[in-house]
Amino acid sequence: GENVEQHPSTLSVQEGDSAVIKCTYSDSASNYFPWYKQELGKRPQLIIDIRSNVGEKKDQRIAVTLNKTAKHFSLHITETQPEDSAVYFCAAIRSGGGSYIPTFGRGTSLIVHP
Amino acid sequence: ETGVTQTPRHLVMGMTNKKSLKCEQHLGHNAMYWYKQSAKKPLELMFVYNFKEQTENNSVPSRFSPECPNSSHLFLHLHTLQPEDSALYLCASSRLGGGGANVLTFGAGSRLTVL
Repeated sequence: GENVEQHPSTLSVQEGDSAVIKCTYSDSASNYFPWYKQELGKRPQLIIDIRSNVGEKKDQRIAVTLNKTAKHFSLHITETQPEDSAVYFCAAIRSGGGSYIPTFGRGTSLIVHP
Repeated sequence: ETGVTQTPRHLVMGMTNKKSLKCEQHLGHNAMYWYKQSAKKPLELMFVYNFKEQTENNSVPSRFSPECPNSSHLFLHLHTLQPEDSALYLCASSRLGGGGANVLTFGAGSRLTVL
C-alpha cells in the first residue's frame, strides 16, 4: 500500500518568513495530492491540491510543487502570518481506480511567531 | 458549516457506558469515513462506507461498531471503551466516481474522553 512520509513534524518561523513542508510517497500510481490545514480545535480543511500532470500550482501565498520522478511534493507558504499557525497534512491518492482512500502524512505543526 | 455535521461535539463516558457518535452530510456525497485523531499521531482511518457498503475496516477493535443506514448518515457505536480510546473522532465524506479526485470534506469532530 501507499506510504506517505512528512517532514518536519514541527516548524517554527518568524512572521514574514517562508515555510516549506515536504512529503514523499511510495506508490508511483498515486496521482492526486491534497494538502489540508487544521487550526487548533477545528476540522481539517483542503487548502490546495495538485494532480500528477502538473508540476506546480500557486494560490496567493501558498504553492505546491510535485516531482513525480522523485515521488515527493512540497507545500510552500510565503510571507507567513500568525493565522497560518496550524497543523498541515499532506495526502496521496490514486484517483480513478484501485484504492481511492487518501493516505495521510503525520502532519506538520507550523508555528508563526509575531 | 461545511455540510458535514457531527454530534455530539464533546462526549465524556465511563468504560462501561454505551454511546454513539453521529455524522450527517448534505453534500450529495456517496462515501463516508471515520478517522481517529490522537495527540501527536497521524490521522488513523477506521472505517469507510462506499454507497452504504462498508469497504474498509482498518483492524479496528470490536468495541467500535459503525453503522451507515444511508449515504447521508454515519454512526459510530461505542461500548466498553478504554481510556486510550480518548481522541478526536473525525467524520468525512466524499463523492466517488465521475472521474474527479477524491476530495474529502471533514466534520468538526467529536472529542471523546473515556474515564
